[in-house]
Amino acid sequence: GAVVSQHPSRVICKSGTSVKIECRSLDFQATTMFWYRQFPKQSLMLMATSNEGSKATYEQGVEKDKFLINHASLTLSTLTVTSAHPEDSSFYICSARGARGINQPQHFGDGTRLSIL
Amino acid sequence: GESVGLHLPTLSVQEGDNSIINCAYSNSASDYFIWYKQESGKGPQFIIDIRSNMDKRQGQRVTVLLNKTVKHLSLQIAATQPGDSAVYFCAENARGAGGTSYGKLTFGQGTILTVHP
Repeated sequence: GAVVSQHPSRVICKSGTSVKIECRSLDFQATTMFWYRQFPKQSLMLMATSNEGSKATYEQGVEKDKFLINHASLTLSTLTVTSAHPEDSSFYICSARGARGINQPQHFGDGTRLSIL
Repeated sequence: GESVGLHLPTLSVQEGDNSIINCAYSNSASDYFIWYKQESGKGPQFIIDIRSNMDKRQGQRVTVLLNKTVKHLSLQIAATQPGDSAVYFCAENARGAGGTSYGKLTFGQGTILTVHP
């Protein structure tokens, strides 16, 4: 149980392209989803928290207009990197948490490797 | 600010040995902790969690110990196998100065565990 699917697993595209990443909870309802960014040999850095049906809460320093997050249903959240540039290249990971409260684990997708040429 | 950190960035063990991965946290208001395992190119995988009203919890081949007095968390892996080689992260339920939960996790730096056959 508690499977999170993230798609695509890898994207290579030209600078200026917008890229959409999907995160789906397959066997549970995710009231809250999280988007992280991870650089090589570093820990996970939270970018934003999204609750179904409401606007995402972004961490300090994360550009809202650059990283658009939509959480339209209890099983799907999307992250769109708008007008991506080489500095946006990174490993993006989503996670989802069910409705049983804050003190329960987040379940992670397998990440999206984004490479901007 | 408050943070979760690790004493040892790398740990090498022989197959069959027991492994102990340590984590120090600084937020005394934290009441929920999780250990994750991350293999190369994948998202973090939930291993075990513990609430602050406990000081020990056991799973399959893994044990988490929580010492609230010194704000220390450890993950013990019994009979370590090559498949256990990965980066291990501790995470805590992030709370503000007044103890209010932010509903998100703060991750430690990570420990690279290498198991030699």
